[in-house]
Amino acid sequence: EIMLTQSPATLSVSPGERVTLSCRASQSIRSNLAWYQQKPGQAPRLLIYGASTRAADVPARVSGSGSGTEFTLTISSLQSEDFAVYYCQQYSNLWTFGQGTKVEIK
Amino acid sequence: QVQLQESGPGLVRPSQTLSLTCTVSGASISNGDYYWSWIRQAPGKGLEWIGYTYSSGSPFYSPSLRSRVTFSVDTSKNQFSLTLTSVTAADTAIYYCARGAFTLETNSLGWFDPWGQGTLVTVSS
Repeated sequence: EIMLTQSPATLSVSPGERVTLSCRASQSIRSNLAWYQQKPGQAPRLLIYGASTRAADVPARVSGSGSGTEFTLTISSLQSEDFAVYYCQQYSNLWTFGQGTKVEIK
Repeated sequence: QVQLQESGPGLVRPSQTLSLTCTVSGASISNGDYYWSWIRQAPGKGLEWIGYTYSSGSPFYSPSLRSRVTFSVDTSKNQFSLTLTSVTAADTAIYYCARGAFTLETNSLGWFDPWGQGTLVTVSS
């Protein structure tokens, strides 16, 4: 099973700051990675697939990059609606999720 | 707009069977382009993929749950269902249904979009 390790577990940031979240795969998954945002009491929302393609209605301040085993999700200027938990998911070999990174208000 | 809605009992006794249904609107589950999936999230934990069903082939289940899980489809109601047998407290979770996209990169299921709102199932006596 391919393991995904997300870091950090929690990130405390101020609105307007740039944030970078990391997702590391236990073996190469090429670009077969998606990112999701989950707010309390809500279902996850797709943000990125193919490591770098934004899903519909996702703002341009959200971007994804990486391939192989190292991936990042970047939010260029954090807005109030961006405080949430973010998960990565690989679909190279079965389907697994990382444990999440919580982005909280500093 | 595609929407999914889970339904089923919120409480199941240990060793009994958990059954949930996902009703899809805005898309036909008979459309072979998508994989209709179940994913769960234990309280305060991460996400676990359970399996998928699709019109073009047989269901595919997570190896860790394969011995206890079965999916079924009712195309007349545009619904798909999950049955999980011999449940324990470890099966307590929010259960989500989701539409999975096909990707040419793997010639299989890729990412999940959209998701249902989820339904909490508690296993307790």
